[in-house]
Amino acid sequence: GAGVSQTPSNKVTEKGKYVELRCDPISGHTALYWYRQSLGQGPEFLIYFQGTGAADDSGLPNDRFFAVRPEGSVSTLKIQRTERGDSAVYLCASSLMWGPNTGELFFGEGSRLTVL
Amino acid sequence: AQKVTQAQTEISVVEKEDVTLDCVYETRDTTYYLFWYKQPPSGELVFLIRRNSFDEQNEISGRYSWNFQKSTSSFNFTITASQVVDSAVYFCALGRDGSSNTGKLIFGQGTTLQVKP
Repeated sequence: GAGVSQTPSNKVTEKGKYVELRCDPISGHTALYWYRQSLGQGPEFLIYFQGTGAADDSGLPNDRFFAVRPEGSVSTLKIQRTERGDSAVYLCASSLMWGPNTGELFFGEGSRLTVL
Repeated sequence: AQKVTQAQTEISVVEKEDVTLDCVYETRDTTYYLFWYKQPPSGELVFLIRRNSFDEQNEISGRYSWNFQKSTSSFNFTITASQVVDSAVYFCALGRDGSSNTGKLIFGQGTTLQVKP
């Protein structure tokens, strides 16, 4: 597709379950970012990939959160033992190169996660 | 510490009115970048502008204009002759420069703009 694609668009799960959220960036974009947006708040940075490696994972809230990008394209955000506080919209963004001085981020529509 | 403050939570105007969205930021970096993004109801954030801290020239793009004042750490956004399609949440964001430049943006809490017909 032309834009950043995220699946699922909505995910409802029970506390303690495992969840995977997928991001398919714009073709050719080497940089990929995950953000989390809680209701009424601005997005918060989680992790950034340059190619296949996680260049900065300082925003991951704890070790229940993990993300991979094995082939430098699609990325999966994994959340173990989900908690109600994990409920949020998880946004993925990609860009041609790394860093804000090279251009804007292209965001997907997000995956809304609800933990009951 | 880095921080972005958008003091206006919600603004409501009537179509064709001008509206200014305020943004104040805090950073210790000497070089940094400022952004505005628009988030329509569909959810995806749309890039509007990027401004380098060295460039204090104001910018105009159609009905949109931005006023960057380093002395007051503000980067305000004005929409002239607002339209219903401008209704959205608008985010101001701060990005870092330097060797650890990663596109890790710090967003404000957003301003919800409602333009009524």
